[in-house]
Amino acid sequence: SQQGEEDPQALSIQEGENATMNCSYKTSINNLQWYRQNSGRGLVHLILIRSNEREKHSGRLRVTLDTSKKSSSLLITASRAADTASYFCATVHYGNNRLAFGKGNQVVVIP
Amino acid sequence: DGGITQSPKYLFRKEGQNVTLSCEQNLNHDAMYWYRQDPGQGLRLIYYSQIVNDFQKGDIAEGYSVSREKKESFPLTVTSAQKNPTAFYLCASSMGATLWNYGYTFGSGTRLTVV
Repeated sequence: SQQGEEDPQALSIQEGENATMNCSYKTSINNLQWYRQNSGRGLVHLILIRSNEREKHSGRLRVTLDTSKKSSSLLITASRAADTASYFCATVHYGNNRLAFGKGNQVVVIP
Repeated sequence: DGGITQSPKYLFRKEGQNVTLSCEQNLNHDAMYWYRQDPGQGLRLIYYSQIVNDFQKGDIAEGYSVSREKKESFPLTVTSAQKNPTAFYLCASSMGATLWNYGYTFGSGTRLTVV
């Protein structure tokens, strides 16, 4: 399967804690993207990291990419109740220019 | 405000009936996509279009049809040939005809239920 797979599948943390989730994939990528989905809503693009990049930041979000391990991680620092959502990684692979989504990672931030 | 509008938000289909889901964007994006999401699952690509009057099948195109007569619009028809259409349908768009180098903008979805 070319699509990313998130780990862990579900995460429950206290407000103020950091949340880390991982994504693994099987074949070489052009880029990897993270999205957030609130219940019953569309997805919101968070960060795109290209295959020649190792780390990107956006506000409280930090994404790393390790192409040798074919994995990425998304870190949310100082989590808030509003961060409760499902988080998806999506990959674009060379030779198949489509965005392939993983099954998502549900994060619950307890106030 | 620029964005993608999907309508209706909820749709009920009777057995054997075709229904059309609307997707309109005012972002001047070249590429548009339709995804299907089932509970606890990721998104699966139904159809996508890079330019007007052209579209390509995704991974699960059977039982669906699309058109792209205008840049702003990419309607999806769920035909009676789709045997399990109950799902959450998401429309998305991205800048440029090159599919992979930009993040996608999503609509808020249409929840289709067979009754």
